[in-house]
Amino acid sequence: EAGVTQFPSHSVIEKGQTVTLRCDPISGHDNLYWYRRVMGKEIKFLLHFVKESKQDESGMPNNRFLAERTGGTYSTLKVQPAELEDSGVYFCASSQDWGDRGFSGELFFGEGSRLTVL
Amino acid sequence: DAKTTQPTSMDCAEGRAANLPCNHSTISGNEYVYWYRQIHSQGPQYIIHGLKNNETNEMASLIITEDRKSSTLILPHATLRDTAVYYCIVRANTDSWGKLQFGAGTQVVVTP
Repeated sequence: EAGVTQFPSHSVIEKGQTVTLRCDPISGHDNLYWYRRVMGKEIKFLLHFVKESKQDESGMPNNRFLAERTGGTYSTLKVQPAELEDSGVYFCASSQDWGDRGFSGELFFGEGSRLTVL
Repeated sequence: DAKTTQPTSMDCAEGRAANLPCNHSTISGNEYVYWYRQIHSQGPQYIIHGLKNNETNEMASLIITEDRKSSTLILPHATLRDTAVYYCIVRANTDSWGKLQFGAGTQVVVTP
């Protein structure tokens, strides 16, 4: 079974340009999350999708960031326009629906997309 | 969510048990203790979680003190591949549980 896949693995852009990161969750996982680690800082939560709906987007830093998950499958995270402080690694994670059993505790993370803004 | 405190780093000899402590003195009754790790250049990886009972799986054991104010993650036979940053996270099992709060973690180096 394929894990969480992210594309691109590394993107180098100039300040002011636009970048779109893509995440394909594990098949059948309704929950999809975006996290990021900017240089020298801790891994921070950005937002949580349940299928195509945004469940929690409290971690999104500002309106230059736009996340979508049309159709409830893959998700994209667009940064427009990119700033120097956006450089870092963006992680996507997915998990199964909790159902009646409650949550298992496990998020499955991708390898991350490294963004470098020059 | 309760805050956790972990040592910055620790070394462990290959083949020996690695015992990683975590303090969470302000933990509340409905908060679980989760452990994740991040091997260099990879995404975080779930290890184990528990509420108040000790837990064991194929990767590790989690020992939670009776007052739940601290816990220890045990890697029974550390290998070089266990070198990673280990994160202790306290989180309530609510609808918004997926908002994990990663701290600085403990950098574990397993040496030959």
